[in-house]
Amino acid sequence: AQTVTQSQPEMSVQEAETVTLSCTYDTSESNYYLFWYKQPPSRQMILVIRQEAYKQQNATENRFSVNFQKAAKSFSLKISDSQLGDTAMYFCAFMGTSGTYKYIFGTGTRLKVLA
Amino acid sequence: DTAVSQTPKYLVTQMGNDKSIKCEQNLGHDTMYWYKQDSKKFLKIMFSYNNKELIINETVPNRFSPKSPDKAHLNLHINSLELGDSAVYFCASSQYLASSYNEQFFGPGTRLTVL
Repeated sequence: AQTVTQSQPEMSVQEAETVTLSCTYDTSESNYYLFWYKQPPSRQMILVIRQEAYKQQNATENRFSVNFQKAAKSFSLKISDSQLGDTAMYFCAFMGTSGTYKYIFGTGTRLKVLA
Repeated sequence: DTAVSQTPKYLVTQMGNDKSIKCEQNLGHDTMYWYKQDSKKFLKIMFSYNNKELIINETVPNRFSPKSPDKAHLNLHINSLELGDSAVYFCASSQYLASSYNEQFFGPGTRLTVL
């Protein structure tokens, strides 16, 4: 069975600094998708970035980028120039492509950006 | 326009009662999901429907019954509510079940409190 692990329950970063959130996963599939979702205090889950396992190039979305290491089964999220609005829970999610295509979420990392 | 909406946003009820949560999406998506987020923020899939057909049923007690009258709606009915059912329930939708771009769009969540 697939598992997703986020080993940092809480992190903090100063405004304008860079922070990296870690995520590791376990799977026997060769093709799959990985996602980072953000859940601010408003509860709304918002997609931050996605990565397709067959693509070697790391995904980027403005200040957000990932370091995808397929062999190590690692998928970390880097947030550059952190802003107060980045304060949220961040969830890593795995979606396999055999079976039911369901998301497996990690336990989340609570990120606080300090002024 | 709200993409995925849920009603109600808050639900407080007594143990043993029966309640429903409604979900609607106006994105034209084929697939809809129910997730449960517990007090530790752990997010786990409960059900998914694709074109009104049940695809995922994650060993949820049979007191929980999803109903999909059409592709745009997926309601969750819960019988004989228990204290352990207290959680935030999220509805989500995605364009296709098996897609290389399976971003899920989440509703705002329904916080259920069972007294």
